[in-house]
Amino acid sequence: KQEVTQIPAALSVPEGENLVLNCSFTDSAIYNLQWFRQDPGKGLTSLLLIQSSQREQTSGRLNASLDKSSGRSTLYIAASQPGDSATYLCAVRVLWNNDMRFGAGTRLTVKP
Amino acid sequence: DTGVSQDPRHKITKRGQNVTFRCDPISEHNRLYWYRQTLGQGPEFLTYFQNEAQLEKSRLLSDRFSAERPKGSFSTLEIQRTEQGDSAMYLCASSFRPGTSGGIRNEQFFGPGTRLTVL
Repeated sequence: KQEVTQIPAALSVPEGENLVLNCSFTDSAIYNLQWFRQDPGKGLTSLLLIQSSQREQTSGRLNASLDKSSGRSTLYIAASQPGDSATYLCAVRVLWNNDMRFGAGTRLTVKP
Repeated sequence: DTGVSQDPRHKITKRGQNVTFRCDPISEHNRLYWYRQTLGQGPEFLTYFQNEAQLEKSRLLSDRFSAERPKGSFSTLEIQRTEQGDSAMYLCASSFRPGTSGGIRNEQFFGPGTRLTVL
């Protein structure tokens, strides 16, 4: 059974700092991995999707990497801003299945 | 607005009542998903449609839950005889399945969710 873990559960940083969020998964037989942002009480906003054949994806200040063999992904946020404060979730889509498994998220606070 | 929409955004009901939620996916998307999210946790998969066919159901989807997508467009999720444990955010997502000629990646886009509170 695919288990997805996100560390740390919460992170507080000063504005301007570069930071890394971690995601690990137990079964490397994945179709893709997706990073989302969720603001309190809201739905999920897709940030980046990495196909299983890819190593990384970039969008603006965000860079996500994928190491399928070791079951890890990282989300790098450059020059963090208070508006980046949210919960960041990673999810993997398993092969042969349309089930997406989510981690519990990392709650990020960027202090001005 | 061409995103995924859900209605209602909030629902408060008494234990034992039936509730129904609606999801309108992005118009060209043929896949539709329902998830449930409790406080402090990531979403949990409930069920999935490709066009009008319900292809997968999680064991979380007890017999009190039923979902439909009759015309392959909008979908409804009904919970009968609600229990306090059903209180959660119910999220809908849609995606496009590329054809054999390749195409758009299968990225899921989420709606704003329906927050259910069962008293």
